[in-house]
Amino acid sequence: GQNIDQPTEMTATEGAIVQINCTYQTSGFNGLFWYQQHAGEAPTFLSYNVLDGLEEKGRFSSFLSRSKGYSYLLLKELQMKDSASYLCAVRDMANAGKSTFGDGTTLTVKP
Amino acid sequence: DVKVTQSSRYLVKRTGEKVFLECVQDMDHENMFWYRQDPGLGLRLIYFSYDVKMKEKGDIPEGYSVSREKKERFSLILESASTNQTSMYLCASTQVNSNNEQFFGPGTRLTVL
Repeated sequence: GQNIDQPTEMTATEGAIVQINCTYQTSGFNGLFWYQQHAGEAPTFLSYNVLDGLEEKGRFSSFLSRSKGYSYLLLKELQMKDSASYLCAVRDMANAGKSTFGDGTTLTVKP
Repeated sequence: DVKVTQSSRYLVKRTGEKVFLECVQDMDHENMFWYRQDPGLGLRLIYFSYDVKMKEKGDIPEGYSVSREKKERFSLILESASTNQTSMYLCASTQVNSNNEQFFGPGTRLTVL
């Protein structure tokens, strides 16, 4: 089975940097996703990591350490519109199309 | 542009009613999924399908069934709706030979009275 842990809530200030952590315990590893979900809307894809290291995409970066079962999503130059829930998801070994989702971290950005 | 649509954004039903939630994707994706999302419980997989007429149970299939007669359409059925099935239902699809990011529909907020 899969066990995925992320903090429930975080608060940060506009213009700052925030790091959202995700740890996982799985019987195998086949890749990790981050999704963003605004209140009342569907999740949308942010990033995918399958190898160790940092993937940068504009203001957002995602890091993976497979040996530690650990990932983080880094958001720079925070904007009010970044207030959302951020979901960590681990790709299934047996069925690569399937993922198990963490409960999500609700980020509130304050002025 | 990738698109997943769901038949209703909001739905109100009575206990015991049979409920159909429809999902359609226009990306020719093989895999389709139904989740429910509840506060504090995250996204939980109900059923998924990796091909036409194929289905597999997810983590919480009890009280639900599914149908996939055509590749683009995946239906979730509540045979006899109960109040504990009040939730946000999200459909998603993904392609097999890719990094398998899932594309989600807008969701259906179902209330069972």
